[in-house]
Amino acid sequence: DVKVTQSSRYLVKRTGEKVFLECVQDMDHENMFWYRQDPGLGLRLIYFSYDVKMKEKGDIPEGYSVSREKKERFSLILESASTNQTSMYLCASSLFLTVNQPQHFGDGTRLSIL
Amino acid sequence: DAKTTQPTSMDCAEGRAANLPCNHSTISGNEYVYWYRQIHSQGPQYIIHGLKNNETNEMASLIITEDRKSSTLILPHATLRDTAVYYCIVRDTTSGTYKYIFGTGTRLKVLA
Repeated sequence: DVKVTQSSRYLVKRTGEKVFLECVQDMDHENMFWYRQDPGLGLRLIYFSYDVKMKEKGDIPEGYSVSREKKERFSLILESASTNQTSMYLCASSLFLTVNQPQHFGDGTRLSIL
Repeated sequence: DAKTTQPTSMDCAEGRAANLPCNHSTISGNEYVYWYRQIHSQGPQYIIHGLKNNETNEMASLIITEDRKSSTLILPHATLRDTAVYYCIVRDTTSGTYKYIFGTGTRLKVLA
């Protein structure tokens, strides 16, 4: 089974802090994704990566950056956290970037910015 | 905007089949239909996907109509642990990201 592990289930940070969310997958998948999930808004794609050191912006990249130094690890960085970044953050991975490859999700990090 | 529409909620008796419908009338020829579920406080769990043929795996069956404008996810013997929000998704292939567009899903409650 595919395993996508997010480093924290719950995280509380303060406004202005630099926040790191970590995600690791164990299936040698090429692609990794970061989404945020908010009530009434569904999942929104922040960034994705199709290879080591490669990244592409999603729909809402502002205020975020990402890092993929190793194939199995994809980090989301909040450069200067703000209260509107309080959300559930979900990491996903897929084998290939084609329409018939499912994405597999981690259990999420519920981030609160005070 | 979500490309699918689903009922907001459904109930199902434990041990009975749960049939969850989904409309995707604007689906194009190369777009797959995916089903996920999300149990409270967890990430979405992949269930099944299909293009035009019916599919079955250890979790569920997926029935896609011949015109591909709708589909039904079938959980053959629902248990209490199947209580979750079920999402029917058609992936966005136009932007090159193959991102998922999650709608509001169907909240399935399995009753003892």
